[in-house]
Amino acid sequence: EVQLVQSGAEVKKPGESLKISCEGSGYSFTNYWIVWVRQMSGKGLEWMGIIYPGDSDTRYSPSFQGQVTISADKSISTAYLQWSSLEASDTAIYYCARLSVPYALTTPIDYWGQGTLVTVSS
Amino acid sequence: EIVLTQSPGTLSLSPGERATLSCRASQGVSSSYLAWYQQKPGQAPRLLIYGASSRATGIPDRFSGSGSGTDFTLTISRLEPEDFAVYYCQQYGSSPSFTFGPGTKVDIK
Repeated sequence: EVQLVQSGAEVKKPGESLKISCEGSGYSFTNYWIVWVRQMSGKGLEWMGIIYPGDSDTRYSPSFQGQVTISADKSISTAYLQWSSLEASDTAIYYCARLSVPYALTTPIDYWGQGTLVTVSS
Repeated sequence: EIVLTQSPGTLSLSPGERATLSCRASQGVSSSYLAWYQQKPGQAPRLLIYGASSRATGIPDRFSGSGSGTDFTLTISRLEPEDFAVYYCQQYGSSPSFTFGPGTKVDIK
């Protein structure tokens, strides 16, 4: 069974750093692109960036370029999303998700993590 | 980057009624690389339709998708109680870009 299991909720102060994780299981983690999606409270879905764990090829949405860093450790089937200096506006649920076809970018998302709630407040 | 617009913002219907949701793209979507997702409160989205008209695994046949180019439609033929949710369209053809529409909420009238 394919699963993406994300790390737990976080409460941080503005200016702090954070790294959240997404562990894949039940499939060949290295062969499928992983995408990160933000959902602010009561709002829609925004794609942030995408990584191919096999070689760590990473692409960012123009809206998030320079704001976050996406990485992966294929040895432990885990992708990461990190911030160096959080702002209150980073408060949101963050989902990792898998593209449905191995190697390919032009495919829809078929599996989602459960989401990680990040709260940034002084 | 392709911008997706969805209408209406909210659709108020009764169980058993037909729902028609629209998704319009600011430019043509390559090879109908258009998907629809359903999201219920407190849950991650779920893939319903990909390639504009293909149902994902396990999706009931009351859900259907159509369209090409810049205009796409998700139809739910007869609403079941579990279908009241928010629906998002997404394009995945202009790689690497996975823009979502703002969503249509289908709620109980």
